[in-house]
Amino acid sequence: QKEVEQDPGPLSVPEGAIVSLNCTYSNSAFQYFMWYRQYSRKGPELLMYTYSSGNKEDGRFTAQVDKSSKYISLFIRDSQPSDSATYLCAMRSSGSARQLTFGSGTQLTVLP
Amino acid sequence: EAQVTQNPRYLITVTGKKLTVTCSQNMNHEYMSWYRQDPGLGLRQIYYSMNVEVTDKGDVPEGYKVSRKEKRNFPLILESPSPNQTSLYFCASGSEGGGLQYFGPGTRLTVT
Repeated sequence: QKEVEQDPGPLSVPEGAIVSLNCTYSNSAFQYFMWYRQYSRKGPELLMYTYSSGNKEDGRFTAQVDKSSKYISLFIRDSQPSDSATYLCAMRSSGSARQLTFGSGTQLTVLP
Repeated sequence: EAQVTQNPRYLITVTGKKLTVTCSQNMNHEYMSWYRQDPGLGLRQIYYSMNVEVTDKGDVPEGYKVSRKEKRNFPLILESPSPNQTSLYFCASGSEGGGLQYFGPGTRLTVT
């Protein structure tokens, strides 16, 4: 079993929809949680960064962490065609800088 | 502009021919790392460097070498490439001890 599980999709939604992307993990030591967006033929781009449990909002994006369930989510409101990309979750434990563990990514397409 | 650059972006080579992929960052980050990305396997760390004096193996270091002689550069060396090293490679640099990582545009390597 992988340490971080992420549904690969693909996920297709109409423009304006609310998108929910999720990851589950097994390592209870993970404290830092990130979401990266990767456009085709590009490097991953850091989108959201949260520490421990709770919510963080940035514009149309909201990241949620539920450590009790070992579950993290990224919500995209009013989705746009420009949001079409692969979304990668990543996480690490405190004091273990090198161990950034990635999910395999969810491919999202927002249809105009 | 703050960025991580990699060269070359695309490379086709033959088995056994030594190659180097360069990586440079202009953000004054101490932490740098190399990943490979393969379908279904996500991003896997090859090597990382906490600073100029410290370099260590990641999860898949076999067949690779790295060098960190100065803060801004972190080249990846394949002494004798093999077809199973055909992949998409990303260099990253990080702040906060590597907790926040910023990726380069990627190098697509094909070994025949």
